[in-house]
Amino acid sequence: QSALTQPRSVSGSPGQSVTIYCTGTSSDVGAYKYVSWYQQYPGQAPKLVIYDVTKRPSGVPDRFSGSKSGNTASLTISGLQADDEADYYCLSYGGKWLFGGGTTLTVL
Amino acid sequence: EVQLLESGGGLVQPGGSLRLSCAASGFTFSNFWMHWVRQVPGKSPIFFARINGDGSSTNYGDSVKGRFTISRDNAKNALYLDLNSLRVEDTAVYYCVRETSGSYFLDYWGQGALVTVSS
Repeated sequence: QSALTQPRSVSGSPGQSVTIYCTGTSSDVGAYKYVSWYQQYPGQAPKLVIYDVTKRPSGVPDRFSGSKSGNTASLTISGLQADDEADYYCLSYGGKWLFGGGTTLTVL
Repeated sequence: EVQLLESGGGLVQPGGSLRLSCAASGFTFSNFWMHWVRQVPGKSPIFFARINGDGSSTNYGDSVKGRFTISRDNAKNALYLDLNSLRVEDTAVYYCVRETSGSYFLDYWGQGALVTVSS
C-alpha cells in the first residue's frame, strides 16, 4: 500500500498560518479517526504533535491543530515561529500503519 | 518519564546480521504494543514491525520480506529486532517506538539506531 500523499514543502512567514494536507483513501484516512502528526527536526526522532485527528498531547502549543474532511487530514500551524521549521509526517491506521511522504516546513 | 534507548546499530557487510535492542523504562512495558519504525535518511518513516504486550502476536510491514524478526523480553523491559541477510538498501535509522494504549498512534520514540550496510 502506498504512502499517504503530502506536499513536499510548504512555507510561511513568522506569525502567519500554514496548513499541511495528508491525503489517503476511504480505507485509511477516510475510514477512521486514527490520524496522527509528527514533527521531526534534522537528526532527531519524530515527535507526536497531533493524535486522533484533532487532539494535542500535553506540552504541544495550541498553535498546532488538526482536522479531517473525507480522505484528507490537515495539520494547521498558526502564529508561525522559527522553531516550527521542521519536517512533518502524517500517520494513519486503518488496519495498516501508513505514513505520509513528509512535508518540509520553511519559515521565511 | 518514558525512555526508549536503542543500541546495537553500526556498520555491517552485505549478507551480515545484526541485533538491535531497545531498553524501555518509565512505564509498564508489558502493557504496550511496541514497534520498530525504519527511516532511510532523507525519506519518510515506514512501519516495519510490531509486537503485542506478551509477545504472542507480531505484524510486519509490506517491505519486510522474512529476513527480520521482532521479539521482546518483558522481564528485561527489552525490545529486539533481528536483522539477517542484510542488503545495502537496509541502511536506515531504526526507531524503537511505543504504541499508545486505547488508540492507534505512536506516542514515544527512541533516539534511533543507525544501521549501515556496506562493503
